[in-house]
Amino acid sequence: DVVMTQSPLSLPVTLGQPASISCRSSQSLVYSDGNTYLSWFQQRPGQSPRRLIYKVSDRDSGVPDRFSGSGSGTDFTLKISRVEADDVGVYYCMQGTHWPEYTFGQGTKLEIK
Amino acid sequence: EVRLVESGGGLVRPGGSLRLSCAVSGFTFNSYSMNWVRQAPGKGLEWVSSISHSSTYIYYADSVKGRFSISRDNTKNSVYLQMNSLRAEDTAVYYCARAPLDYWGQGTLVTVSS
Repeated sequence: DVVMTQSPLSLPVTLGQPASISCRSSQSLVYSDGNTYLSWFQQRPGQSPRRLIYKVSDRDSGVPDRFSGSGSGTDFTLKISRVEADDVGVYYCMQGTHWPEYTFGQGTKLEIK
Repeated sequence: EVRLVESGGGLVRPGGSLRLSCAVSGFTFNSYSMNWVRQAPGKGLEWVSSISHSSTYIYYADSVKGRFSISRDNTKNSVYLQMNSLRAEDTAVYYCARAPLDYWGQGTLVTVSS
């Protein structure tokens, strides 16, 4: 089974400052078609998860360009260039390469310092 | 607008059964696989089950295999999760989500307690 490990698990950030979340997988996430199916989700308090990023670095419609994804193989990063109050919540990475089982990271709780 | 609306959650005793439903609109339902994902109180996300667009392929997490059953009705734009032999550790908010988890419903809470 693929294990997804995020760090840090708690991330206090000052408004306007950048934030970065790391995600590592126990196996390569490169699929046989050459794509890497690594996604990032945001879950605001009391809300359903919302996908922000798919295939490592593609932003979903409506996602601010303050959010960016990068990485390859087993190491991935979500970056927020300037944190806003609206960004508070828990962020999850997820692999979809080793389907049919989607695997999530433990989640990183972003809070305003 | 894509919408997924879950229903059917509630309080059930250990060993009991419950059937969740997810009604979908805003996209061509019979072209997409569908999933159930759950989240225990204060915990992270756990994929539960997937069903392909024509119900040919069905998959379950080991934690629910043999107890849960996923199905869909493409004439009703709905996906279902039949949950049997429920345990306390099945207590969670259950979300339905379109593959590849790009759209999610608001979730329905299942509480398994005596």
